[in-house]
Amino acid sequence: SQQGEEDPQALSIQEGENATMNCSYKTSINNLQWYRQNSGRGLVHLILIRSNEREKHSGRLRVTLDTSKKSSSLLITASRAADTASYFCAPGGSNYKLTFGKGTLLTVNP
Amino acid sequence: EAGVAQSPRYKIIEKRQSVAFWCNPISGHATLYWYQQILGQGPKLLIQFQNNGVVDDSQLPKDRFSAERLKGVDSTLKIQPAKLEDSAVYLCASRSGGRALEQFFGPGTRLTVL
Repeated sequence: SQQGEEDPQALSIQEGENATMNCSYKTSINNLQWYRQNSGRGLVHLILIRSNEREKHSGRLRVTLDTSKKSSSLLITASRAADTASYFCAPGGSNYKLTFGKGTLLTVNP
Repeated sequence: EAGVAQSPRYKIIEKRQSVAFWCNPISGHATLYWYQQILGQGPKLLIQFQNNGVVDDSQLPKDRFSAERLKGVDSTLKIQPAKLEDSAVYLCASRSGGRALEQFFGPGTRLTVL
């Protein structure tokens, strides 16, 4: 299925450190999106990378995509307490559907 | 730009009762999605609308769940009768259409079935 599987399931770091989350999937995709979910702002789109792209940046976020390995990673640099949330990868196909995994729970300690 | 609106935000019902959730997508967004998110899991797609037509309802438990988007704008998701395992957050999302891929999510309705 297109479902992404995030790793690790949970990650705890100190403020100012970098956080890296990984995503693996099993079928061909034409894009992969990362979303963040916290109690304050709900589920929010962070960044999208298309299958013909290898790396993309947005502010403190860096996402990579390796279609040969069917994997993606999300790097958050200089993390803040406000980055505490669950992060989901969502591989997307041509049908505009997203299939979410169980997510990575990131805790940033002040 | 106003976001996706959902109501109610919370609902508690007894099993076997019925319940309905309402969603108003971002103005002009052609595609609307309903997701179910059980505690500790990611959102699971229940149904996808394009304007007022159903694109995909393969994961909708049709014996008890129904959804409609009559005028291609707002949508209603109904559960009748509810079971204990329906306790979850129900999220509505919309997408503008065309080649735009980003989905915008509402705050969700937290349903507790007792």
